[in-house]
Amino acid sequence: AQTVTQSQPEMSVQEAETVTLSCTYDTSENNYYLFWYKQPPSRQMILVIRQEAYKQQNATENRFSVNFQKAAKSFSLKISDSQLGDTAMYFCAFMKDFGNEKLTFGTGTRLTIIP
Amino acid sequence: SQTIHQWPATLVQPVGSPLSLECTVEGTSNPNLYWYRQAAGRGLQLLFYSVGIGQISSEVPQNLSASRPQDRQFILSSKKLLLSDSGFYLCAWIGVYRGEAFFGQGTRLTVV
Repeated sequence: AQTVTQSQPEMSVQEAETVTLSCTYDTSENNYYLFWYKQPPSRQMILVIRQEAYKQQNATENRFSVNFQKAAKSFSLKISDSQLGDTAMYFCAFMKDFGNEKLTFGTGTRLTIIP
Repeated sequence: SQTIHQWPATLVQPVGSPLSLECTVEGTSNPNLYWYRQAAGRGLQLLFYSVGIGQISSEVPQNLSASRPQDRQFILSSKKLLLSDSGFYLCAWIGVYRGEAFFGQGTRLTVV
């Protein structure tokens, strides 16, 4: 079974600074998908960024980028120029494949952006 | 575009009462649907997922059950609620082409 580990329960950073959230996972699969989701105080889950394991290039979405290390099974999220609206719970998630597959989440990192 | 509706938003139920949470999806057909529970300050625990009408996979033995009576409808139920069933329940649709998960707005269930 796949597991996803987020070792940082809470983090805080000053506004405009850069912060990196860690995620490691365990799988025997070669092809899979990794995600970062954001859950603001409204509790709505929002997809931040997605990475396909077969792609060597790290995914980027505006101020959000990932450092995907397949051999190390590591998938960290970097938030540049952090904004107050980035304050939220961030979940790392793993999916073995599309189709009849489940999405497994880590326990989350609570990120607070300090004004 | 795809949207997912979940209701009610909040629910307070006494111990031993029944439960029915409903989730519906628009803008897609034959979606993979999921029920997750999020305990306070914790991650998301997968409860059930369904890849089609009448097809339910249970991840964790518990007091809850799920049903998929229609293609775009997913229901979470209980015959008799326990205090430990309190939590935040999220319904999700996961796209099979991109793997993105679209979540409902969640139901805060408090069993008293």
